Amino acid sequence: GQQVMQIPQYQHVQEGEDFTTYCNSSTTLSNIQWYKQRPGGHPVFLIQLVKSGEVKKQKRLTFQFGEAKKNSSLHITATQTTDVGTYFCAGLYGTSYGKLTFGQGTILTVHP
Amino acid sequence: DAGVIQSPRHEVTEMGQEVTLRCKPISGHNSLFWYRQTMMRGLELLIYFNNNVPIDDSGMPEDRFSAKMPNASFSTLKIQPSEPRDSAVYFCASSLDYQPQHFGDGTRLSIL
Repeated sequence: GQQVMQIPQYQHVQEGEDFTTYCNSSTTLSNIQWYKQRPGGHPVFLIQLVKSGEVKKQKRLTFQFGEAKKNSSLHITATQTTDVGTYFCAGLYGTSYGKLTFGQGTILTVHP
Repeated sequence: DAGVIQSPRHEVTEMGQEVTLRCKPISGHNSLFWYRQTMMRGLELLIYFNNNVPIDDSGMPEDRFSAKMPNASFSTLKIQPSEPRDSAVYFCASSLDYQPQHFGDGTRLSIL
């Protein structure tokens, strides 16, 4: 079936260190979206990648979509305490009425 | 603009009772999704609707769970009878076609 695997499950960093989370699908994605969920909150959309090899940046966050449209990554440069939360990738397969297949999420903690 | 509205925010009830969760999607969105989130199982898609029609309910765990969408502005998720293992955070999300999903604040359900 369609699955999106995300690693690592947990990441603990010191403030100022970089952080990366990776997602992989066994089949080609139509697009991939990234969401952030703060502790006690709900998932909030960050960005959507559609094109093969696409790279997008949002301040200290860099998102990449693989050439084969099967993998993606989120990299945070110089983490801050405000970056804490769970980061989810979510893949869209073909025509599925917007149904997303979410990765397991990476829980990021940042120690000041 | 109002986001996705869920009610109640918190629900504590005894096992065996009927539980009804409610969701009002963003006006103009044509897809609605019900998710369940637990530490053990992460974020699970239970069911989703497109233009008020259920498309895929394969994520509904048991016959005790049912969902309806009588019109474009309202959906319910019902559990009857409830069991302690149903305790979780239930999210409703809506989207327009393949656009990113907008999540409600969730209902934190505790079954005693």
